[in-house]
Amino acid sequence: AQTVTQSQPEMSVQEAETVTLSCTYDTSENNYYLFWYKQPPSRQMILVIRQEAYKQQNATENRFSVNFQKAAKSFSLKISDSQLGDTAMYFCAFTHNNAGNMLTFGGGTRLMVKP
Amino acid sequence: GAVVSQHPSRVICKSGTSVKIECRSLDFQATTMFWYRQFPKQSLMLMATSNEGSKATYEQGVEKDKFLINHASLTLSTLTVTSAHPEDSSFYICSARPPGTSGSYEQYFGPGTRLTVT
Repeated sequence: AQTVTQSQPEMSVQEAETVTLSCTYDTSENNYYLFWYKQPPSRQMILVIRQEAYKQQNATENRFSVNFQKAAKSFSLKISDSQLGDTAMYFCAFTHNNAGNMLTFGGGTRLMVKP
Repeated sequence: GAVVSQHPSRVICKSGTSVKIECRSLDFQATTMFWYRQFPKQSLMLMATSNEGSKATYEQGVEKDKFLINHASLTLSTLTVTSAHPEDSSFYICSARPPGTSGSYEQYFGPGTRLTVT
């Protein structure tokens, strides 16, 4: 079974600063995919960024980037130039080819961006 | 991107009654949809996998007779909470992904349904 762990229940950052959210996972699969989802107060889940495990290059999407350490089974999210609209719950998620599209979520990190 | 809708967005029902929540993929066909439950300030917990034309697959600990799932068409899955109790009050979210896409393809989530049982 796969597990996803987010060790930071809550974090805060000043507007325009950089923050890193941690995520570790455990799996015996070799071909898998990792995601960061954002859930703002509206509760709508929004994909932030994704990473294929077979790719060594870390994924980036504008102000969002990941540090994917496959050997360490670590997948952290870095948010640069934090904006007030980044305030949300952030969930790390995992799936693999044999999972039937099923996502396993971490416990979430509540991020507050302060003006 | 693809859109998944849920209806209703909020529902209040009395204890002992049943309530149906709909999940629709608006611009793609979904042979598989997922139903999650989310308690306040907690993560999404997968309840069941809804398969078009066949029985749903329930996660361990989820009562299939209480949470009835019907995936009647390629664009609609319904979750019916039967004989609802106050402890069933929660936020229910569905998701789907276009068929034939790889594991890296994102899942599209509905906006959720807040159920309150009084």
